[in-house]
Amino acid sequence: AQTVTQSQPEMSVQEAETVTLSCTYDTSESNYYLFWYKQPPSRQMILVIRQEAYKQQNATENRFSVNFQKAAKSFSLKISDSQLGDTAMYFCAFMSSESGSNYKLTFGKGTLLTVNP
Amino acid sequence: DTAVSQTPKYLVTQMGNDKSIKCEQNLGHDTMYWYKQDSKKFLKIMFSYNNKELIINETVPNRFSPKSPDKAHLNLHINSLELGDSAVYFCASSQYGGWGEQFFGPGTRLTVL
Repeated sequence: AQTVTQSQPEMSVQEAETVTLSCTYDTSESNYYLFWYKQPPSRQMILVIRQEAYKQQNATENRFSVNFQKAAKSFSLKISDSQLGDTAMYFCAFMSSESGSNYKLTFGKGTLLTVNP
Repeated sequence: DTAVSQTPKYLVTQMGNDKSIKCEQNLGHDTMYWYKQDSKKFLKIMFSYNNKELIINETVPNRFSPKSPDKAHLNLHINSLELGDSAVYFCASSQYGGWGEQFFGPGTRLTVL
């Protein structure tokens, strides 16, 4: 079974600074999908960014980018120019692409990010 | 327009009661999911339906019974509620295959007293 580990339960950053959230995973598969979801205090789960394992290029979405290291099974999220609205719980998630997995998401335990003014 | 909606958003009930949570999506997706988020914020898949067929059934007490009357709706019925069932329950939907990006509902906070 796949596992997802987020080793930083909490982090804080100053507004306008850059912060990196770490995520590692364990799988024997060669192709899969990785996601970062954000859950602000409103409780809504919001997709931040996604990466297909067979794509070597790191995904970027505006101020959000990932550092995907397939051999190391590492998938970190970098937030540039942090904003107060980035304060949220961030979840790393793994999705198998193999037949029978039925596209279920396996989540890490989350990192609570606080952006300070 | 709300993409994935859940009712109710909050549910407070006594131990031993039976309750249901409803979910509806208007995205035209064919796959729907139930996730449970516990008090430590850990999210775990419970069930998934694809075109009204159960395709994921994780280790969940059989007091929990999902039902999908059509591919736009997925309900969760819980019998004989226990204190440990207190959690936030999220419904999600996606199109089967491809990216499989899942869109989440707002969650239902269930409190069992």
